[in-house]
Amino acid sequence: EAQVTQNPRYLITVTGKKLTVTCSQNMNHEYMSWYRQDPGLGLRQIYYSMNVEVTDKGDVPEGYKVSRKEKRNFPLILESPSPNQTSLYFCASKDQGGNSPLHFGNGTRLTVT
Amino acid sequence: GDSVTQMEGPVTLSEEAFLTINCTYTATGYPSLFWYVQYPGEGLQLLLKATKADDKGSNKGFEATYRKETTSFHLEKGSVQVSDSAVYFCALSDRDTNAGKSTFGDGTTLTVKP
Repeated sequence: EAQVTQNPRYLITVTGKKLTVTCSQNMNHEYMSWYRQDPGLGLRQIYYSMNVEVTDKGDVPEGYKVSRKEKRNFPLILESPSPNQTSLYFCASKDQGGNSPLHFGNGTRLTVT
Repeated sequence: GDSVTQMEGPVTLSEEAFLTINCTYTATGYPSLFWYVQYPGEGLQLLLKATKADDKGSNKGFEATYRKETTSFHLEKGSVQVSDSAVYFCALSDRDTNAGKSTFGDGTTLTVKP
């Protein structure tokens, strides 16, 4: 089954403790992206990647890192999480080009205390 | 830059009522347009799309027509069901670049009551 898999689904952590949210897709998509969803703010893009070893900042990249060492994986790294990064995070992937829709994972709800 | 504006929610309807969720956009290029739906506890999934002017996307009884002259892509359904309760996002994607960056509206929460 074609899917985007994120882990974990829920994560509670403390300020400053490094964490990684994993994302994997099995559709051979070149484009992958991370979003955060906050009430009243909609979906905001954090980082995206157009191919292996190619990453770029989205609209709200501060406090986040990503890597793209393999085509299928695109982990999101929070080196020193802060409470304002408490949010619902989504990974997505798609074929290249503007006509292709995004395929989303089921989300990771992160709470930073 | 590109932007998408959706009608504010939440929207509450009775079962079998007619649904319209308005969506207008601004874009520097010639975008593709999408509606995504997010059911509780899940990620967004594609509901329908249209890639050029006057195209109509349709799926599961939902329809939306790409209106270039009014820069709109309103979502409609003739008779909603309780199972349609979800958050609906209008989005555009820039067709003219390989990045195909997506821009989303803020989402409209629909609740359908029996």
